[in-house]
Amino acid sequence: DSGVTQTPKHLITATGQRVTLRCSPRSGDLSVYWYQQSLDQGLQFLIQYYNGEERAKGNILERFSAQQFPDLHSELNLSSLELGDSALYFCASSVTGTYNEKLFFGSGTQLSVL
Amino acid sequence: GIQVEQSPPDLILQEGANSTLRCNFSDSVNNLQWFHQNPWGQLINLFYIPSGTKQNGRLSATTVATERYSLLYISSSQTTDSGVYFCAVHGGSYIPTFGRGTSLIVHP
Repeated sequence: DSGVTQTPKHLITATGQRVTLRCSPRSGDLSVYWYQQSLDQGLQFLIQYYNGEERAKGNILERFSAQQFPDLHSELNLSSLELGDSALYFCASSVTGTYNEKLFFGSGTQLSVL
Repeated sequence: GIQVEQSPPDLILQEGANSTLRCNFSDSVNNLQWFHQNPWGQLINLFYIPSGTKQNGRLSATTVATERYSLLYISSSQTTDSGVYFCAVHGGSYIPTFGRGTSLIVHP
């Protein structure tokens, strides 16, 4: 158990819908990362937060948004869902979000858009 | 940005065999980590290894930062070693870049 908690584990929804994925980082970790894993694209970085503030943005679509709350949990909101959004979404955490730290992943949310 | 290439892309072994997985990167790095994604999808951090050699049981890793590569050794492989192995590097940014992974299948 990495200590990073993601809910839900599975999500099935229809095109055009909106969903929210939730992540609680390891105790003591201030930085949260979101990644998308699909078969053809590998692990793609979406966005990083540190202590409630957005720190870095990757290839995140405009239909997607995220935030980190004062209790440090984070939510990834996906709207106007398309079939191509079906993927495994991971949250990861580290202490300060810099490059000299280990990264720990949650077990992921498998999103299926039908 | 930094490019990360892993080889081989696929590997099939019999239980008990040894293997070496390679990760090449295109620029100097501040950090390198190896992960194992098991068949249930969980990503587990195996090593944090910006340079040098580390060992953990049957697994060991070596990073030669000056030559821009890292190797993951798996000895006496077991069926539970099956899955995908990723390396991830930090170049000039705080965001790790992942390779495409090596898919390992270990047959009993």
